[in-house]
Amino acid sequence: GNSVTQMEGPVTLSEEAFLTINCTYTATGYPSLFWYVQYPGEGLQLLLKATKADDKGSNKGFEATYRKETTSFHLEKGSVQVSDSAVYFCAPPRPKIIFGKGTRLHILP
Amino acid sequence: DAGVIQSPRHEVTEMGQEVTLRCKPISGHNSLFWYRQTMMRGLELLIYFNNNVPIDDSGMPEDRFSAKMPNASFSTLKIQPSEPRDSAVYFCASSWGRAGLAGEKTYNEQFFGPGTRLTVL
Repeated sequence: GNSVTQMEGPVTLSEEAFLTINCTYTATGYPSLFWYVQYPGEGLQLLLKATKADDKGSNKGFEATYRKETTSFHLEKGSVQVSDSAVYFCAPPRPKIIFGKGTRLHILP
Repeated sequence: DAGVIQSPRHEVTEMGQEVTLRCKPISGHNSLFWYRQTMMRGLELLIYFNNNVPIDDSGMPEDRFSAKMPNASFSTLKIQPSEPRDSAVYFCASSWGRAGLAGEKTYNEQFFGPGTRLTVL
């Protein structure tokens, strides 16, 4: 089946720092992959997705490239802002998703 | 579209009382999910429905929890009797998926509601 392994948090960075949150996957075939974000007091929302190998998803300055050779889908942002403080979840496209605790990101002003 | 609608947004009740949480999925979506989120355990899938049929309820903690989906636009999650350890934020989510002619399945992203914060005293 399809599953992902995501780095544990919390991650604390200063504003304008570079961000990487690691996510690796195991999959039969090459399904699409998702990054979700949960802002304080809200439900999860889709941040970005990639639908096939070598695809790059991007949104709000965040990027993730679906790399077949390293089975990775790391989330990156060149310059984080305080408003990016949230919990981030990497997920495969299956109905039964093991979201867990995600990676909590704190951005200090 | 109004998105996934959940009610109530907050619920405070006493131990032993029955609690009913409600969800209206996005129109046209054929899958519905109930999750529970706590600091200790993170976000856990309780049950999910496809075309109003429960597909996997292995995450339902115990018999005190039950969920129904009488039609495509409404679902309930009931806890009877409630206990303090049930205190959590409960999320409902919906999505659209399809099965291809060759049996392959396509699952799209899930859209989450704002959640119901349940406190059992």
